[in-house]
Amino acid sequence: EVQLVESGGGLVQPGGSLRLSCAASGFTFSTFWMHWVRQAPGKGLVWVSRINTDGSTINYADSVKGRFTISRDNAKNTLYLQMNSLRVEDTAVYYCATNYYLSGTYYTTMGSWGLGTLVTVSS
Amino acid sequence: QSSLTQPASVSGSPGQSITISCTGTSSDVGAYNYVSWYQQYPGKAPKLMIYDVSIRPSGVSNRFSGSKSGNAASLTISGLQAEDEADYYCSSYSSTSTPWVFGGGTKLTVL
Repeated sequence: EVQLVESGGGLVQPGGSLRLSCAASGFTFSTFWMHWVRQAPGKGLVWVSRINTDGSTINYADSVKGRFTISRDNAKNTLYLQMNSLRVEDTAVYYCATNYYLSGTYYTTMGSWGLGTLVTVSS
Repeated sequence: QSSLTQPASVSGSPGQSITISCTGTSSDVGAYNYVSWYQQYPGKAPKLMIYDVSIRPSGVSNRFSGSKSGNAASLTISGLQAEDEADYYCSSYSSTSTPWVFGGGTKLTVL
């Protein structure tokens, strides 16, 4: 069974940094694209970033480009999100998600999601 | 502001059918058959309900169906049940600088 467990969230002051982790288990992590998606309190889902299987292809939402860095360690089955220069508007629950996989086919959409970790940016 | 447009809320009575619309552009919904729908209960993680416009993942009730026409997609839930009351989000692959976009979400109320 696919399991994704995010950690590293917490309270940070504007301008500060945090590193989120997403520990994966129950599947072959190194063969899946991975995503970060966030949700501000009471608001909708917003895609943040994605990384391909070996880290050679990375994309970011314009709102985090230049401030956030996605990475992965396939040996540790872990996805990361380094967040620098944090702003109040970055306050959200951050989810990691895999691509959807079924019967030997990897689909483009986000299939399995973790429970999320809350990041609060406030002075 | 979300890239895809959804109604903020819809409602229906048990047993009825409802449809949630999702309007995008020729750069996302209109360009790719990569529209997905997610169900989210308060405080919970999203759950994939439909992918590639109209395909249901294993375990998702056949009361849920998806379709697309031009730049707009829709999710239909038939035989509405109390357990369907949740937030629903559409998403689409996009050719813009942001490869994935979501709608603002629709709160479904079962009366």
